[in-house]
Amino acid sequence: DAKTTQPPSMDCAEGRAANLPCNHSTISGNEYVYWYRQIHSQGPQYIIHGLKNNETNEMASLIITEDRKSSTLILPHATLRDTAVYYCIVRGFNDYKLSFGAGTTVTVRA
Amino acid sequence: GAVVSQHPSRVICKSGTSVKIECRSLDFQATTMFWYRQFPKQSLMLMATSNEGSKATYEQGVEKDKFLINHASLTLSTLTVTSAHPEDSSFYICSTQGGADTEAFFGQGTRLTVV
Repeated sequence: DAKTTQPPSMDCAEGRAANLPCNHSTISGNEYVYWYRQIHSQGPQYIIHGLKNNETNEMASLIITEDRKSSTLILPHATLRDTAVYYCIVRGFNDYKLSFGAGTTVTVRA
Repeated sequence: GAVVSQHPSRVICKSGTSVKIECRSLDFQATTMFWYRQFPKQSLMLMATSNEGSKATYEQGVEKDKFLINHASLTLSTLTVTSAHPEDSSFYICSTQGGADTEAFFGQGTRLTVV
């Protein structure tokens, strides 16, 4: 069973913020939300992860709703190099395997 | 962050031959690594868990005699595709294990084409 639901695709304009939604309505208390992205013909790249607090790093921000049933990855200033498939993954404390869904194909347009 | 180096990045082989893919952890010791396969326009599918010093654990439907995994040291795991056929053509990716609060790191991937 899929633990997360993401839109299949989205476009965004270069220089603008890209907001990528993810639903994880069955998430349990000890499960983290991870985001990875995969640029064409490369291995996945870690972006950010969080448990319940919002998180920010040099790549992106992660906003998790208070009930933890959904989250949003924010790329503050999208560039053409951000074009990739973005995966939202829920990972438990004892869950060492990553289960990849279909992800969201993000296309950044000039 | 951890660096995982995968080699080769792409390989073309003839049907019936075997191909070895290497996955090295460059700056840490990896007791466990994962191997994934990705077909065009599809997501990553976990094939097996590679355990240092012991047998690999394969996901359901993955033939262990066809996809040989060796994890003889803490810095090297290898995947050998034996008697390759065109349907084995795919993108193969290795990764570290990570933890609940620690990200996994992925290799660059290997594009295998069997002709």
